[in-house]
Amino acid sequence: DSGVTQTPKHLITATGQRVTLRCSPRSGDLSVYWYQQSLDQGLQFLIQYYNGEERAKGNILERFSAQQFPDLHSELNLSSLELGDSALYFCASSRGSGTGGTNEKLFFGSGTQLSVL
Amino acid sequence: SQQGEEDPQALSIQEGENATMNCSYKTSINNLQWYRQNSGRGLVHLILIRSNEREKHSGRLRVTLDTSKKSSSLLITASRAADTASYFCALNYGGSQGNLIFGKGTKLSVKP
Repeated sequence: DSGVTQTPKHLITATGQRVTLRCSPRSGDLSVYWYQQSLDQGLQFLIQYYNGEERAKGNILERFSAQQFPDLHSELNLSSLELGDSALYFCASSRGSGTGGTNEKLFFGSGTQLSVL
Repeated sequence: SQQGEEDPQALSIQEGENATMNCSYKTSINNLQWYRQNSGRGLVHLILIRSNEREKHSGRLRVTLDTSKKSSSLLITASRAADTASYFCALNYGGSQGNLIFGKGTKLSVKP
């Protein structure tokens, strides 16, 4: 058990809908990262938050947004869903910001499997 | 691309044999990490090697890093059926970004 909790584990929805994925980081971790894993694209970095502020942005679509709350949990909002958004969405956490040459490893949750029908 | 490239894409061996996976990259890194993923599960960190290190060991795992060739290898010795999983290299470029860029992975199958 990594200590990172993601809910829900599975989500089935229709095109055009909006969903929210939730992540609770390990106790004491200040950074949260979101990744999308699909068969064709592999594991794609979406966005990182550190202590409530956006730290780095990757291949995140404009239809997607995220935030990190004062209690450090994070939510990833996916709207106007398309078939191609079906994927496994992972949250990971780390102790610090991971910047400035620090060497940190990530702890991953078990993921949310999103199916858009 | 900032992504690492793993080679081979798939590897099938017998229990007891050694498994070697490689990762190549194009731009200087801060550190390189290896992760393991069992089918459909979350990724688990295996080992981190800093850019100024050449080799690290952890149990049956050995990781090497050659920054002049921009490549790393992961060796699993005396493999077991339980080692069957996908293995990913992840690159950290330091600076203002703490995120890791993952390759597409090597799928390892260890037959009993």
